[in-house]
Amino acid sequence: DTAVSQTPKYLVTQMGNDKSIKCEQNLGHDTMYWYKQDSKKFLKIMFSYNNKELIINETVPNRFSPKSPDKAHLNLHINSLELGDSAVYFCASSKTGSDSPLHFGNGTRLTVT
Amino acid sequence: AQSVTQPDIHITVSEGASLELRCNYSYGATPYLFWYVQSPGQGLQLLLKYFSGDTLVQGIKGFEAEFKRSQSSFNLRKPSVHWSDAAEYFCAVGTGTDKLIFGTGTRLQVFP
Repeated sequence: DTAVSQTPKYLVTQMGNDKSIKCEQNLGHDTMYWYKQDSKKFLKIMFSYNNKELIINETVPNRFSPKSPDKAHLNLHINSLELGDSAVYFCASSKTGSDSPLHFGNGTRLTVT
Repeated sequence: AQSVTQPDIHITVSEGASLELRCNYSYGATPYLFWYVQSPGQGLQLLLKYFSGDTLVQGIKGFEAEFKRSQSSFNLRKPSVHWSDAAEYFCAVGTGTDKLIFGTGTRLQVFP
């Protein structure tokens, strides 16, 4: 069974469109995250949620809106997509606490044309 | 501010050779340190972690890392590299919140 699964794996869309990426974890973790990996492989946190509550919001544009319907799911909705949004987006989960390792999904490669 | 530096962007080794990937961190308190590996098209997988205690930690796939407080380093080592170890390696530091700070990664290439 996949521990952290995100869909879709690939997403190609045009500028101005709205798209969503879904993430689910079956590890019973309380904390979920979205990370963005750019073309140079740099990984940067975007959001974290703990028990459905937003904990970290790293000055991400308002066009990005995470939603956590329950602690096993954290979806990412992106409005008015821009070329610069092209990246690989990773969902991750962990137990609460900075000493807890992250478990990553396999990523969603978003390409905005 | 907390930061992680991986000085080597790209390393090439021959299969069977030893490996050391460098990681330096900047953090005021005792850090939580991690190494992750990312294979092409995959997410990141935890190799090992350091929280406290023995400064030499063992991980999966034959990797180990040594925490050296005096050098603010947490270098990853493997005595004999296999072709399947070719991947991107990321060092990360836990900051006391739920946020991990990642280094920029080191790409490992293995020649037969």
